[in-house]
Amino acid sequence: NAGVTQTPKFRVLKTGQSMTLLCAQDMNHEYMYWYRQDPGMGLRLIHYSVGEGTTAKGEVPDGYNVSRLKKQNFLLGLESAAPSQTSVYFCASSLSDISTDTQYFGPGTRLTVL
Amino acid sequence: AQSVAQPEDQVNVAEGNPLTVKCTYSVSGNPYLFWYVQYPNRGLQFLLKYITGDNLVKGSYGFEAEFNKSQTSFHLKKPSALVSDSALYFCALNTGGFKTIFGAGTRLFVKA
Repeated sequence: NAGVTQTPKFRVLKTGQSMTLLCAQDMNHEYMYWYRQDPGMGLRLIHYSVGEGTTAKGEVPDGYNVSRLKKQNFLLGLESAAPSQTSVYFCASSLSDISTDTQYFGPGTRLTVL
Repeated sequence: AQSVAQPEDQVNVAEGNPLTVKCTYSVSGNPYLFWYVQYPNRGLQFLLKYITGDNLVKGSYGFEAEFNKSQTSFHLKKPSALVSDSALYFCALNTGGFKTIFGAGTRLFVKA
């Protein structure tokens, strides 16, 4: 049982390049989330999904797109990377509504945009 | 407005001493409060949560937290700190729905 895994672990992009971050969970969770973590700011929700085929915007969605074609996978895309997107990205999942349920986090992807 | 604050950027404590990591919150409805811990180069790990009921919540690794409604606080505590407790601790607030508000984090250093 691997829990939540993220690919890649590190990435360096040039401004304007695109990339996709992959999140996979093997806990059969319905809900999945993408966060970014910046120094002194805690975690901020980018997008989330309440089930296969559904996505919704979080607190800071601009510049990102997501897809959830399979229940176990949640992809985060950057179409045209900007230096402001330099951050550590975490994927998380939960069995049910996160208002009362525990979130399980992946190990993170450290992204640098030059 | 709903918010969560961790007033200390860093807490230093000697091994074997009790530790407290502070968290205060502001909310208009019922608060659902969480503590997570982040070790270097790792994702956040769940420690404990308060949803309703007993104000003293016990969690993983010997940690506990006390929910205080009058002081709007949810401080994390441990009776005897270990060097291995050194990490970044996040308090988080949810009031229903899909937005969890995370505090900025408190770095705990436990000295041997």
